Amino acid sequence: AQSVSQHNHHVILSEAASLELGCNYSYGGTVNLFWYVQYPGQHLQLLLKYFSGDPLVKGIKGFEAEFIKSKFSFNLRKPSVQWSDTAEYFCAVKRGVSGGYQKVTFGTGTKLQVIP
Amino acid sequence: EAGVAQSPRYKIIEKRQSVAFWCNPISGHATLYWYQQILGQGPKLLIQFQNNGVVDDSQLPKDRFSAERLKGVDSTLKIQPAKLEDSAVYLCASSLDGILGETQYFGPGTRLLVL
Repeated sequence: AQSVSQHNHHVILSEAASLELGCNYSYGGTVNLFWYVQYPGQHLQLLLKYFSGDPLVKGIKGFEAEFIKSKFSFNLRKPSVQWSDTAEYFCAVKRGVSGGYQKVTFGTGTKLQVIP
Repeated sequence: EAGVAQSPRYKIIEKRQSVAFWCNPISGHATLYWYQQILGQGPKLLIQFQNNGVVDDSQLPKDRFSAERLKGVDSTLKIQPAKLEDSAVYLCASSLDGILGETQYFGPGTRLLVL
């Protein structure tokens, strides 16, 4: 079945460690890719997105993600995490479907816990 | 600009009761989405509106769930009757036109507990 996969369900890191969260999808054709973050007690909010052009996308708070089309991947990275990055991270894929509208599918999320 | 508003924030009901959730999207946003997020899972799209028309309700359990967006602005999602497995956070989101590349903005969600 077509899907969005986040293989890491729970990640625990110490402050200053590097982060990489995996996201793979199985849709062909043109896609837009998003990473959303949900801090404890807050709304889902956009971290970064890929629409077109440079496959290396920079987002807020020092996050970046690289779109590798051949691998159907859009992994999220940060060179040095902080305690305030503790949150749940969701990958999402938007694609065109029959009827001319756009459909968004979310991954299951990765909980990141950063230990001071 | 004001964000996506949802109410109530929390709701506890017994199974077989009815419940309704309300969403007011960002002003001028044509596309409105309702998602269900069960604990430990990612948001699952229930229904997507473009103005007041439905463009995708393929994952909406239509025997018990209904949604409307009569004037193309705010929307209500109803569950009747509720089941235990409906316990989840119901998220509303909106975007300007629903086109590729566009960002969705999420509301705070309504946390539903069915006992």
